[in-house]
Amino acid sequence: EVQLVESGGGLVQPGRSLRLSCTASGFTFGDYAMSWVRQAPGKGLEWVGFIRRKAYGGTTEYAASVKGRFTISRDDSKSIAYLQMNSLKTEDTAVYYCARVAVGALIRDFDYWGQGTLVTVSS
Amino acid sequence: QTVVTQEPSLTVSPGGTVTLTCASNTGAVTSAYYPNWFQQKPGQAPRALIYSTSNKHSWTPARFSGSLLGGKAALTLSGVQPEDEAEYYCLLYYGGAQPWVFGGGTKLTVL
Repeated sequence: EVQLVESGGGLVQPGRSLRLSCTASGFTFGDYAMSWVRQAPGKGLEWVGFIRRKAYGGTTEYAASVKGRFTISRDDSKSIAYLQMNSLKTEDTAVYYCARVAVGALIRDFDYWGQGTLVTVSS
Repeated sequence: QTVVTQEPSLTVSPGGTVTLTCASNTGAVTSAYYPNWFQQKPGQAPRALIYSTSNKHSWTPARFSGSLLGGKAALTLSGVQPEDEAEYYCLLYYGGAQPWVFGGGTKLTVL
């Protein structure tokens, strides 16, 4: 059974840092890209960032709202994807979800999602 | 700035049919945008329904279908059930440095 479990959320002051983890199980982690998506309270979904498989360089892409502040990485040996969030702002307050992304010649598929972890940025 | 637009809200009667759409301000949505559709109920994580325009997951009820319609991505629910009341989001792929953009969501009410 595919499972994604986010952890590391909590209350943090503006300007500080936080690292989220997404621990995967039930599939070969290295075979998939991973993405982070967030949802501010009462708002819609916002794509945050994406990390490719190592076979495709393990490169990353980010939304303009977080570029330069957030960094996604992965440890395939542990089946974990990370979201390092620096210089946090109050507007980063949201539930953060990780999602598995299947990428192929004719496929882009955000098929499995974690349950999310809440990040609250407040003084 | 890339904007993906969905109907903010729609209402449908049980047993009825409803189509939700997903438009891009960059022009017509094609299969190259690999439209994904998700369902989200209050307090729950999003659940994938459709990927790459029209492909269903093993858990996607048969009454859900995806297509391209009039330059937009579309999600059609046929024979709507009360449990289909939820928020629905589309996701489009643009490639490049910021490849993915979500629509604002459609709140579907079954009444």
